[in-house]
Amino acid sequence: GAGVSQSPRYKVAKRGQDVALRCDPISGHVSLFWYQQALGQGPEFLTYFQNEAQLDKSGLPSDRFFAERPEGSVSTLKIQRTQQEDSAVYLCASSPGPLDTQYFGPGTRLTVL
Amino acid sequence: GQQLNQSPQSMFIQEGEDVSMNCTSSSIFNTWLWYKQDPGEGPVLLIALYKAGELTSNGRLTAQFGITRKDSFLNISASIPSDVGIYFCAGHHTNDYNNDMRFGAGTRLTVKP
Repeated sequence: GAGVSQSPRYKVAKRGQDVALRCDPISGHVSLFWYQQALGQGPEFLTYFQNEAQLDKSGLPSDRFFAERPEGSVSTLKIQRTQQEDSAVYLCASSPGPLDTQYFGPGTRLTVL
Repeated sequence: GQQLNQSPQSMFIQEGEDVSMNCTSSSIFNTWLWYKQDPGEGPVLLIALYKAGELTSNGRLTAQFGITRKDSFLNISASIPSDVGIYFCAGHHTNDYNNDMRFGAGTRLTVKP
């Protein structure tokens, strides 16, 4: 595809469930970023990959959040034992290189009941 | 939390009017960017600014990177209905250890025909 895709677009989880959110970056993009966007707020940085290496995970809010990009392409953000405060839109972005323009996907809206 | 102070929070204007919004930060950034986000979509880059003092235009949009590297503004001239959306400023900071982008809370623009 031409752009960044994310799946699922919507996810409803019961508190305590684990969820996995997928990001397909633009083909050939080296850098991949995850953001969390709460309602009415701007996106907040979670983590950054360069190829398969996770170079910065300083934004992950707790050890329940885990991200991987094992082959340097598709990435998965996993949230274990979801809590209500995890409800947000999770955005993925990719860029050709670390300093280049980031292109965002449509996001996954997670609702934790 | 958000490190950038973006104002105004919302604007209601008539079609044809000019719009101005700005962003300030306590931190210095390498790059300032302005994004627009429509409902259910990810942010789309409008303008990127790479040098302090830089003034850049993109059609009816003009943005400036403040001399102190701690602020930026975005102007939209002769607004049209499709300008409706949420505008976010973002500061991009990169070094050997991290690569993260910080967003403002957004300016919600409504344009009345």
